[in-house]
Amino acid sequence: DVKVTQSSRYLVKRTGEKVFLECVQDMDHENMFWYRQDPGLGLRLIYFSYDVKMKEKGDIPEGYSVSREKKERFSLILESASTNQTSMYLCASRTTGTGVHSGNTIYFGEGSWLTVV
Amino acid sequence: GEDVEQSLFLSVREGDSSVINCTYTDSSSTYLYWYKQEPGAGLQLLTYIFSNMDMKQDQRLTVLLNKKDKHLSLRIADTQTGDSAIYFCAEGFDSSASKIIFGSGTRLSIRP
Repeated sequence: DVKVTQSSRYLVKRTGEKVFLECVQDMDHENMFWYRQDPGLGLRLIYFSYDVKMKEKGDIPEGYSVSREKKERFSLILESASTNQTSMYLCASRTTGTGVHSGNTIYFGEGSWLTVV
Repeated sequence: GEDVEQSLFLSVREGDSSVINCTYTDSSSTYLYWYKQEPGAGLQLLTYIFSNMDMKQDQRLTVLLNKKDKHLSLRIADTQTGDSAIYFCAEGFDSSASKIIFGSGTRLSIRP
């Protein structure tokens, strides 16, 4: 089974702190994602990485950056946390393969609940 | 623009069937997914259907796709308390690895 692991499940940080959210997947997937989930808004894509050292902005990249130094690890960085970044953050991964056999399935981690005070 | 819409809440009596509906706007999608999110957890893939299919059945789950109306539904037969969760509909595209459009999720609650 694919496993996507988010190391921190619950964090409380102060406004202005630098925050790192780590994500590791064990299936050698090329694509990795960071989403933010807020009530009534569903999932919004923050950043996407399609390979090591490659990244692409999603729908809401402002206030965030990412790092992908190794294929299995994708980090989300909040340079200076603000209270409006209090949210649930979901990491996901997927293989590049397309078509019938891949199913193009995206696999999610358990989520990281971040509270900024 | 591109959008996937779902109603926010659904309440069903235990043992009845649940039908969760979803409409989408981008007809170029390759896959349509249903994900389940239990409290405090990430999203778990329930099932997916290729955009060239009309129906897919998997045990208690039936997915129906009406391409003309851009409507997707998930039917859960014999709904149990363990089915209480938020259900997300999503579109995926072979043309773009990063493009996956999620709905806002439907919270399914089960009445005794």
